Amino acid sequence: SAVISQKPSRDICQRGTSLTIQCQVDSQVTMMFWYRQQPGQSLTLIATANQGSEATYESGFVIDKFPISRPNLTFSTLTVSNMSPEDSSIYLCSVDVTGITEAFFGQGTRLTVV
Amino acid sequence: GNSVTQMEGPVTLSEEAFLTINCTYTATGYPSLFWYVQYPGEGLQLLLKATKADDKGSNKGFEATYRKETTSFHLEKGSVQVSDSAVYFCALSARNTGGFKTIFGAGTRLFVKA
Repeated sequence: SAVISQKPSRDICQRGTSLTIQCQVDSQVTMMFWYRQQPGQSLTLIATANQGSEATYESGFVIDKFPISRPNLTFSTLTVSNMSPEDSSIYLCSVDVTGITEAFFGQGTRLTVV
Repeated sequence: GNSVTQMEGPVTLSEEAFLTINCTYTATGYPSLFWYVQYPGEGLQLLLKATKADDKGSNKGFEATYRKETTSFHLEKGSVQVSDSAVYFCALSARNTGGFKTIFGAGTRLFVKA
């Protein structure tokens, strides 16, 4: 299994600013994923982050808005840039552990943009 | 591409009633299937999973059987409790070159009345 720590757990931010969310895993993993859950909605995959390469973004998400770093096999960050109230969501980090048919999720970061 | 369709909510039941939340999927290959639960104000938790056809996942009185012939994974519980009030997400994951991505259904909110 994998234990995932996300920071911050919640934040309230002013529009036009940026927030960086950190995801730390207790073991080395190849793939890390970032999801968004808008209020009352399901989870949508933002991007897949591999160590040593650029993140792969899903349709509707772009690097300029959601830059991602993956400096090593246990850590990743997601930045929400130039925020607007529409970015108010829960952002979740997830990891894929080789040999285990299950994704593991962090507790999420609840972001409110005012 | 892969997708998950689940029953729209909200579902409102009285305590001790029987619960069914329908879930069907579309996928290439042989995905793993999951039910996740999100209690009010909390993160996402894995409720149960099944990794191959005819597998039955079970946990906390909930059950779901992986039916390949009907591409379904319906969630059932014989007697719900007030504490089961939450949002339930059906999901599938399939390993490909992009890793073990998880695709979620829209979620079904369950209210259980005392």
